[in-house]
Amino acid sequence: GESVGLHLPTLSVQEGDNSIINCAYSNSASDYFIWYKQESGKGPQFIIDIRSNMDKRQGQRVTVLLNKTVKHLSLQIAATQPGDSAVYFCANNQGGKLIFGQGTELSVKP
Amino acid sequence: DVKVTQSSRYLVKRTGEKVFLECVQDMDHENMFWYRQDPGLGLRLIYFSYDVKMKEKGDIPEGYSVSREKKERFSLILESASTNQTSMYLCASSLDYSTDTQYFGPGTRLTVL
Repeated sequence: GESVGLHLPTLSVQEGDNSIINCAYSNSASDYFIWYKQESGKGPQFIIDIRSNMDKRQGQRVTVLLNKTVKHLSLQIAATQPGDSAVYFCANNQGGKLIFGQGTELSVKP
Repeated sequence: DVKVTQSSRYLVKRTGEKVFLECVQDMDHENMFWYRQDPGLGLRLIYFSYDVKMKEKGDIPEGYSVSREKKERFSLILESASTNQTSMYLCASSLDYSTDTQYFGPGTRLTVL
């Protein structure tokens, strides 16, 4: 079946460094992708989205890159802060159904 | 800002009880969703609704039902709670079903004893 997967279950970075979280998807017809941040005990929080007609989209300290050739997207967080510690999910909206990856837990070391 | 609220953050019920989880969104969104989230299994869609009084089964509807009498409110019902329904329950809403992001509530941690 269709899937969305993340490459690494955990990522540890030093405060101030840049973080890169990767995600692969299998459905080449996928046209809308979303990154969510989920802090412990809370619901997923929307970070940024990207549609398949774009390769890159930037927000505040975050950038999402989409490579349709290899079916891969990444979330880059600039100058990572302790408040960025959370689990990050990529999700793909396939005809209204959100397919979620398993999540990458980002830990920020002071 | 989109706001999705859920009636309880934590809930403890006994096996066999009927459980109601309420979700309210204030952005006039057409679509509402109920998920459960379990370690190692990720988020799984239970039911969704794309209009008042309309409902569609998700991936794991067994043991659950839903109600949408008003546009802003979507209820998840566990007719007879069982221990395997202990989970984090997340409600979400979106404006457009197929092209829009879903915004989540804070979640309800349900424990069934």
